[in-house]
Amino acid sequence: EPEVTQTPSHQVTQMGQEVILRCVPISNHLYFYWYRQILGQKVEFLVSFYNNEISEKSEIFDDQFSVERPDGSNFTLKIRSTKLEDSAMYFCASSGRTGASYEQYFGPGTRLTVT
Amino acid sequence: AQSVTQPDIHITVSEGASLELRCNYSYGATPYLFWYVQSPGQGLQLLLKYFSGDTLVQGIKGFEAEFKRSQSSFNLRKPSVHWSDAAEYFCAVGSYNQGGKLIFGQGTELSVKP
Repeated sequence: EPEVTQTPSHQVTQMGQEVILRCVPISNHLYFYWYRQILGQKVEFLVSFYNNEISEKSEIFDDQFSVERPDGSNFTLKIRSTKLEDSAMYFCASSGRTGASYEQYFGPGTRLTVT
Repeated sequence: AQSVTQPDIHITVSEGASLELRCNYSYGATPYLFWYVQSPGQGLQLLLKYFSGDTLVQGIKGFEAEFKRSQSSFNLRKPSVHWSDAAEYFCAVGSYNQGGKLIFGQGTELSVKP
């Protein structure tokens, strides 16, 4: 069964450093998302991406964040200068977005720890 | 404002007992409704979804949910809980017309007693 994969599973970085979180969405999907979940809190939407551009972004997704689909398979989230409060589990999701394919399939997440 | 409320933070049920997890939403457009389950250290797995039509929807692992527009609710049910159902359950709402983002509730942690 197709699945969304994410690497790495755990990333530890120092405050101020840049991190890139990687995702491989399901191959025939067209819509891509990033969410995050701070420990003990709800899952929050960060950004959606379609046709090589951002469709929507939340208030959390400020200038420190960027997304890219550098090739036909990968979808990345970059945080330019990490802060302590960026520590969270980051989930990538993808969907086909056509009728019954609207549902989003989530990857296993990358746990980001900023020290 | 768009929001999802799961009133119960933590529920404990005995194995074999029935289960109902509550979800209420506030959403201006026609909502698409979802339940996801998250086991410890795992990602989010889709249990079921409601787009339109029959308001009682069946999902995986024996779960079902009923959409009640008048009550703005989408409660998740299972007639007989198994120990492996212990996990965190998230209700989410989305709209095809608003970028496809999902808005999640706070989650309900389910514990199962033997």
